[in-house]
Amino acid sequence: GAVVSQHPSRVICKSGTSVKIECRSLDFQATTMFWYRQFPKQSLMLMATSNEGSKATYEQGVEKDKFLINHASLTLSTLTVTSAHPEDSSFYICSATSGGAADTQYFGPGTRLTVL
Amino acid sequence: GQNIDQPTEMTATEGAIVQINCTYQTSGFNGLFWYQQHAGEAPTFLSYNVLDGLEEKGRFSSFLSRSKGYSYLLLKELQMKDSASYLCAASYILTGGGNKLTFGTGTQLKVEL
Repeated sequence: GAVVSQHPSRVICKSGTSVKIECRSLDFQATTMFWYRQFPKQSLMLMATSNEGSKATYEQGVEKDKFLINHASLTLSTLTVTSAHPEDSSFYICSATSGGAADTQYFGPGTRLTVL
Repeated sequence: GQNIDQPTEMTATEGAIVQINCTYQTSGFNGLFWYQQHAGEAPTFLSYNVLDGLEEKGRFSSFLSRSKGYSYLLLKELQMKDSASYLCAASYILTGGGNKLTFGTGTQLKVEL
């Protein structure tokens, strides 16, 4: 149980284009989903927290107009990187929690974004 | 912010025992997670501690002392496949409700023959 999928696993795009990444909880309803980014040999940095049906809460320093998050259902959240630039190249990972007592976050396999 | 400190790297021998320490700030603390992450992959859940003491799960055990803001992950009978980054993550209560994880930088464990 507690499987989270992400799509695509890898994406290469040109500078200026937009990229959408999907995060799905496959066998549970995710009351909350989180989006992280991770640079090589660094830890996960939380970008935003999203609850189904409400606006995402962004961490300080994360541009909400650049990183659009939609959490339309209890099993799906999307992150759209708008007008991507090479500095946006990173490993993007989502996680989901069912809101149980431990609030354990289960992570998707990640999306490697490369902006040329 | 909440600082999570853990060693950057550790090396151990196959079959041995290794302990990875983690310290965190205690204000608003709501639990401590350990995750394992292989290069290029997402983290996988290892353990969760919210009360003081030792939680044992097979070859892996995790300890927590809330008063000291301290945790450790203990790996026994090390195997080559245990070579990975081990992330300590502290859960903090948000003022608006819910929880938020703050991750340490990870400890890169290398298991040698």
